Amino acid sequence: GAVVSQHPSWVICKSGTSVKIECRSLDFQATTMFWYRQFPKQSLMLMATSNEGSKATYEQGVEKDKFLINHASLTLSTLTVTSAHPEDSSFYICSAAGTSGRALGTGELFFGEGSRLTVL
Amino acid sequence: AQSVTQLDSQVPVFEEAPVELRCNYSSSVSVYLFWYVQYPNQGLQLLLKYLSGSTLVKGINGFEAEFNKSQTSFHLRKPSVHISDTAEYFCAVSDSPGTGRRALTFGSGTRLQVQP
Repeated sequence: GAVVSQHPSWVICKSGTSVKIECRSLDFQATTMFWYRQFPKQSLMLMATSNEGSKATYEQGVEKDKFLINHASLTLSTLTVTSAHPEDSSFYICSAAGTSGRALGTGELFFGEGSRLTVL
Repeated sequence: AQSVTQLDSQVPVFEEAPVELRCNYSSSVSVYLFWYVQYPNQGLQLLLKYLSGSTLVKGINGFEAEFNKSQTSFHLRKPSVHISDTAEYFCAVSDSPGTGRRALTFGSGTRLQVQP
């Protein structure tokens, strides 16, 4: 199937610093990507929908100034956690639906491997 | 609005025994249903999906699920589990099958623990 890659897979940072997580669709184009957050032993909660070339759409309760999303190209979306605090520690997962190539029309969202953020 | 309910947070089962993971959904429009598996510290892998057609859907790793519209259910089954099936399983629903514009709504997950 189509491949979505996230980087870094894990990161540890000090409180107050900013962390950028990248999400790339490797063999297809994705005009829309989704960012999820997963707390330990819990389900995935949608944070925002990232649209190429336009502003992201944030879910209720998600601070857009805290979680900056940039979807600069059809294969890359980034999530920046600004001024991170320990409560931001979580597993962040991105996903994308294929809009080209073999991923087109499959009805499937392809998920990245996830990025584990630990804020000390 | 859509929602997904996975009633069982944990399902312990012995190796080679059958298993069923339950999923119920609610939606006011047509739905498209998915089961994903997540291994520790990894992303999600699609097991199977129901978009249309036959209500019995076969997926990877020997899993299958049946869409039951009247009972609003999409239970996941496997006739004989292996130790390697130990993982977290998520049921998810979407009201948009292939446009890629809508995110999935996930259930709370079911931890399948296969014991020797």
